[in-house]
Amino acid sequence: DQQVKQNSPSLSVQEGRISILNCDYTNSMFDYFLWYKKYPAEGPTFLISISSIKDKNEDGRFTVFLNKSAKHLSLHIVPSQPGDSAVYFCAASGGKNFGNEKLTFGTGTRLTIIP
Amino acid sequence: DTGVSQDPRHKITKRGQNVTFRCDPISEHNRLYWYRQTLGQGPEFLTYFQNEAQLEKSRLLSDRFSAERPKGSFSTLEIQRTEQGDSAMYLCASSWTGDTEAFFGQGTRLTVV
Repeated sequence: DQQVKQNSPSLSVQEGRISILNCDYTNSMFDYFLWYKKYPAEGPTFLISISSIKDKNEDGRFTVFLNKSAKHLSLHIVPSQPGDSAVYFCAASGGKNFGNEKLTFGTGTRLTIIP
Repeated sequence: DTGVSQDPRHKITKRGQNVTFRCDPISEHNRLYWYRQTLGQGPEFLTYFQNEAQLEKSRLLSDRFSAERPKGSFSTLEIQRTEQGDSAMYLCASSWTGDTEAFFGQGTRLTVV
């Protein structure tokens, strides 16, 4: 049962344009959502997060939007840069509900920025 | 502090052999997690420690797997009688109580031949 879904395995975006990565979840007990970036042969690197009490969080070029009613979140990267090329994982946690902060990950979206 | 450190980075072993991986978390972090990632999938939760206590184990963690965190510092993950299906990237992460953001190590890639 895939509780966190990233339905686009890959995405190509022109340098300087906006990249939009999408994520859907099914478990309403999740209360915190995170995006991680992963380069080949490295562990995931934390990028940005959002609590379920918010609908938007910004950090520089990265913005995460949360639509709780639709159980959907998205990551916007603008402007996209070649160094953004990586696999992006959406993750969810239900710490306050589950008693720990273990993360449930999606299957990832490979983002390629075209120079 | 250099972040979460995992050793070895790569391990090739024959089916049926035992292997042990080590994770050194960020020093002030009291929570430590093990995840496994296979090709085309996201990391999957295996087990979780708060200090030295192992508080949760996934059903993915069969009897052949055991994890320890003596003295609440580094952790080891042992796989006994390895099978080809154990081939994966094993990731360790750490965090501080109350922080959801976990910091990952570079992982140990296990290949069972």
